[in-house]
Amino acid sequence: NAGVTQTPKFQVLKTGQSMTLQCAQDMNHEYMSWYRQDPGMGLRLIHYSVGAGITDQGEVPNGYNVSRSTTEDFPLRLLSAAPSQTSVYFCASNQGGYGYTFGSGTRLTVV
Amino acid sequence: KNEVEQSPQNLTAQEGEFITINCSYSVGISALHWLQQHPGGGIVSLFMLSSGKKKHGRLIATINIQEKHSSLHITASHPRDSAVYICAASYSGGGADGLTFGKGTHLIIQP
Repeated sequence: NAGVTQTPKFQVLKTGQSMTLQCAQDMNHEYMSWYRQDPGMGLRLIHYSVGAGITDQGEVPNGYNVSRSTTEDFPLRLLSAAPSQTSVYFCASNQGGYGYTFGSGTRLTVV
Repeated sequence: KNEVEQSPQNLTAQEGEFITINCSYSVGISALHWLQQHPGGGIVSLFMLSSGKKKHGRLIATINIQEKHSSLHITASHPRDSAVYICAASYSGGGADGLTFGKGTHLIIQP
């Protein structure tokens, strides 16, 4: 099994550009979530989904959109990139009562 | 606001020492997770606890629900245990609404 696959691994954006970080899981997990990791701040929840068609905001949702049209995919969209969105992004999936599986991360730099 | 606190932030020890990392949380949780992250690497789930104690190899995790406290122990530590250890809490049943993280403990085991 591939687990959780995130693409791209690295990305450089200019301020104001938009992009989509892809996340796909092949474990048929109900729940998926997006996090950003910043030095000194640790990991913080951006958005999460409890199933296809259902999403909700986490701790730091501003500037990000998500959708979940299938169980497998949970893309994260940056609408208009800002330098403050420079970070490492992790996607994760889990099934009720079990631990989380994380993707390998996307390192995003906004210049 | 739900908070998760970890201590110590940094820990350097000699190979073979017994290691303890502590985690406390502010409100009731559905589960406590321990995660491991190697430098530049992805995040791996070590344990998910809702009560008692779990053991995997040289790693032991315990939780005291009444005191809102969890510990991660490493016995006979080895340089390959050097990593960042992160505790995280899930508040909804089954972990549907993502994780709230501590800021991590940076562990270095010297030969």
